[in-house]
Amino acid sequence: GNSVTQMEGPVTLSEEAFLTINCTYTATGYPSLFWYVQYPGEGLQLLLKATKADDKGSNKGFEATYRKETTSFHLEKGSVQVSDSAVYFCALSGSILHQGGKLIFGQGTELSVKP
Amino acid sequence: GAVVSQHPSRVICKSGTSVKIECRSLDFQATTMFWYRQFPKQSLMLMATSNEGSKATYEQGVEKDKFLINHASLTLSTLTVTSAHPEDSSFYICSASLQGTAGNTIYFGEGSWLTVV
Repeated sequence: GNSVTQMEGPVTLSEEAFLTINCTYTATGYPSLFWYVQYPGEGLQLLLKATKADDKGSNKGFEATYRKETTSFHLEKGSVQVSDSAVYFCALSGSILHQGGKLIFGQGTELSVKP
Repeated sequence: GAVVSQHPSRVICKSGTSVKIECRSLDFQATTMFWYRQFPKQSLMLMATSNEGSKATYEQGVEKDKFLINHASLTLSTLTVTSAHPEDSSFYICSASLQGTAGNTIYFGEGSWLTVV
């Protein structure tokens, strides 16, 4: 079945450091891929998405490229800020299920940015 | 923009009682809503798919008699945790799907923290 695997956290970085959070997936067909962010005590917010191979999603300085050949969707940011401290979830929506909006989430990666 | 609202955001209930959580799409109609559960420091696990006007579809391992889902209108789905126990304490979050010409956009509610004492 479909699944998403993320790198384990917590990840601790200094402000302005480069961030990479790895995400790989297993899916049949052509899934859509998402990154969600969850700030402490809050719900989920969509950070970015990509719906087909080689698409690059970007938002707020974060970006991720849908790599079908490596089944990956790694999240990157060139210079993190303290305000980026949150839990990041990689998610997948299968092509058949996409019309319904059912998501499969990775385990989440906690990011802590120190001043 | 589209907004999904959950209520209550936090609830504490006694063991053995039932508690209802509401998920509303505020400015769009959602024929399908989803309920997820998140344990501390863990990922979100899909519990069920809520379909307006029909029975919910539950994921494997989720007790349908314990987690009652009702989707009575195009803007409201409710999750009722019946005979709650401390192990039901968790973060419950819903999402609603907005159909558009370019596919679906998924919006999440703020989540509801349930503590069973």
